[in-house]
Amino acid sequence: GENVEQHPSTLSVQEGDSAVIKCTYSDSASNYFPWYKQELGKGPQLIIDIRSNVGEKKDQRIAVTLNKTAKHFSLHITETQPEDSAVYFCAANFGNEKLTFGTGTRLTIIP
Amino acid sequence: DSGVTQTPKHLITATGQRVTLRCSPRSGDLSVYWYQQSLDQGLQFLIQYYNGEERAKGNILERFSAQQFPDLHSELNLSSLELGDSALYFCASSVVPQHTDTQYFGPGTRLTVL
Repeated sequence: GENVEQHPSTLSVQEGDSAVIKCTYSDSASNYFPWYKQELGKGPQLIIDIRSNVGEKKDQRIAVTLNKTAKHFSLHITETQPEDSAVYFCAANFGNEKLTFGTGTRLTIIP
Repeated sequence: DSGVTQTPKHLITATGQRVTLRCSPRSGDLSVYWYQQSLDQGLQFLIQYYNGEERAKGNILERFSAQQFPDLHSELNLSSLELGDSALYFCASSVVPQHTDTQYFGPGTRLTVL
């Protein structure tokens, strides 16, 4: 079935350190993998996405890597700052337009 | 600000009642998606519309229905409400319904059923 697993569920890192969140998906037909950041009381905000024709994409302190053979993708945040504290969701499509989301990672940046 | 607007922001109602949630997509976006976010189920896709027509259905209950109007705004109707329907309801929009098209989310409507 259509399934996305996300780990860890919670993550605490010291300010300035890096954070890594990993997701695996069940269907090799998936070709679009967005990451969303959700702050308290707000809707999910797209922070980066990757399509299956590339293996890595970077936007300033945020990067995403994709391994289609292993069916997993990861979010990397470097030089973390207090404003990075939020819940992060990975998602994937499965040959259609709807997104299937992971269960979320609550990231806490410790000053 | 994603450009997607949702009203109302909060809704408190009683079991058995019916409510309507409204969504206006980003300017130029033709496709609208509805998602439900609850503590135990996470973010779940409900239904998708494209240019006024239903395009895909997910785990949407029969008590729920939606439509997209000629001006492209969408409404999600929830009826015979139960306590378990309490959740955040998000609308998202994309330009066209392509598999790799970015979906932009609105701020959500928090529904509380008492």
